[in-house]
Amino acid sequence: KNEVEQSPQNLTAQEGEFITINCSYSVGISALHWLQQHPGGGIVSLFMLSSGKKKHGRLIATINIQEKHSSLHITASHPRDSAVYICAVRYPNEKLTFGTGTRLTIIP
Amino acid sequence: DAGVIQSPRHEVTEMGQEVTLRCKPISGHDYLFWYRQTMMRGLELLIYFNNNVPIDDSGMPEDRFSAKMPNASFSTLKIQPSEPRDSAVYFCASSLGVVRGSGNTGELFFGEGSRLTVL
Repeated sequence: KNEVEQSPQNLTAQEGEFITINCSYSVGISALHWLQQHPGGGIVSLFMLSSGKKKHGRLIATINIQEKHSSLHITASHPRDSAVYICAVRYPNEKLTFGTGTRLTIIP
Repeated sequence: DAGVIQSPRHEVTEMGQEVTLRCKPISGHDYLFWYRQTMMRGLELLIYFNNNVPIDDSGMPEDRFSAKMPNASFSTLKIQPSEPRDSAVYFCASSLGVVRGSGNTGELFFGEGSRLTVL
């Protein structure tokens, strides 16, 4: 069983819809990253969270340390948001473990 | 800063050949990570360094893989001999380690990746 579970694995939505991607992990961590990977392959770090909530433009990330759960939300989704979103947990020794990713497709 | 720089971007080689992948981290970052991404297994950590010292190489698949960081601005990942199952995209990433109260965000910065195909 992967230490980091993401859901859903695939998500297709219409432009403008509110998107939620979930990430659960099983052991204590020092931080959680949300990464975005576009079809070209490059990986970009969207957020790093250790508590609470962060917002950047239309993207919002939350984390609940007690429940070992994080969510990534996209408001007013757009076709350019289509990508694979990857959750990664960071342990106190700086080691990272990745989720399997969520493939998001936004249809115009 | 130009970001994390990896080379080559693409490499096609034959089974048995030696492959060397290179990475230049962002200046000042004290952590460097090597990851591998395949369709079957997703992203996997191979090895990471702190201040040029290997900290955890438990993700390195076998003895055919080796990584070095001779100085703060350069690292290599070598596969010798290469096999078809090594075909993957290899990413290098760097970050500042999170130190409480320092303001370091610990944000990860990835290179563009090196796509390796072993025939």
